Amino acid sequence: QSALTQPRSVSGSPGQSVTISCTGTSSDIGAYNFVSWLQQHPGKAPALIIYDVSERPSGVPDRFSASKSGNTASLTISGLQAEDEADYYCSSYVDSPIFVVYGGGTKLTVL
Amino acid sequence: QLQLQESGPRLVKPSETLSLTCTVTGDSISGSSYYWGWIRQPPGKGLEWVGSIDPSGRVYSNPSLKRRVTMSIDTSKSQFSLNLNSMTATETAVYYCVAVRRGSTPYYWGQGTLVTVSS
Repeated sequence: QSALTQPRSVSGSPGQSVTISCTGTSSDIGAYNFVSWLQQHPGKAPALIIYDVSERPSGVPDRFSASKSGNTASLTISGLQAEDEADYYCSSYVDSPIFVVYGGGTKLTVL
Repeated sequence: QLQLQESGPRLVKPSETLSLTCTVTGDSISGSSYYWGWIRQPPGKGLEWVGSIDPSGRVYSNPSLKRRVTMSIDTSKSQFSLNLNSMTATETAVYYCVAVRRGSTPYYWGQGTLVTVSS
């Protein structure tokens, strides 16, 4: 069982928006502004698409946005494209001795 | 931009030690602001942090691995390494090396290497 809770799957049609939630506790998401989101296509390594709650690394389209409220973080993908179909993982910094916890992953299907 | 590449055996016998190396290019492994880490992913499952090493060589490992983790940095080769002893079949996974920034953010990833634990 993962420390952070994500829906197992979400779906949307091209052009629509979808939001993926990531629920933690006051010891992880609620305590630190170090929430990351990773995108993983089948057979590929994960790639960072959001860090520090809402920051995008260079090269990540602004269709990807994220936020946090209390113990829950959210990733929103607007203007869905076929290439967005992937697994998405959230993670949060936690204090020693663990340092990081992950969600179980959400499979996004573009209909 | 950093690039990372894992290397090491793909097959490990139960009870033996897994040894993986990650070669870093694109920036100095010793002078950068990154920690260097390992994350694994069993087939069809989620992510698990294995451990990280900071530029001074201090190692931080997942407590669930019960002190089985050893990590090191070789600045002359721009590499860092993972040793995980007493491997079991349930630890069959893709092992990724990562460059970690503040807040345990896995900023750059290697392509991953599938390690199978089997006799």
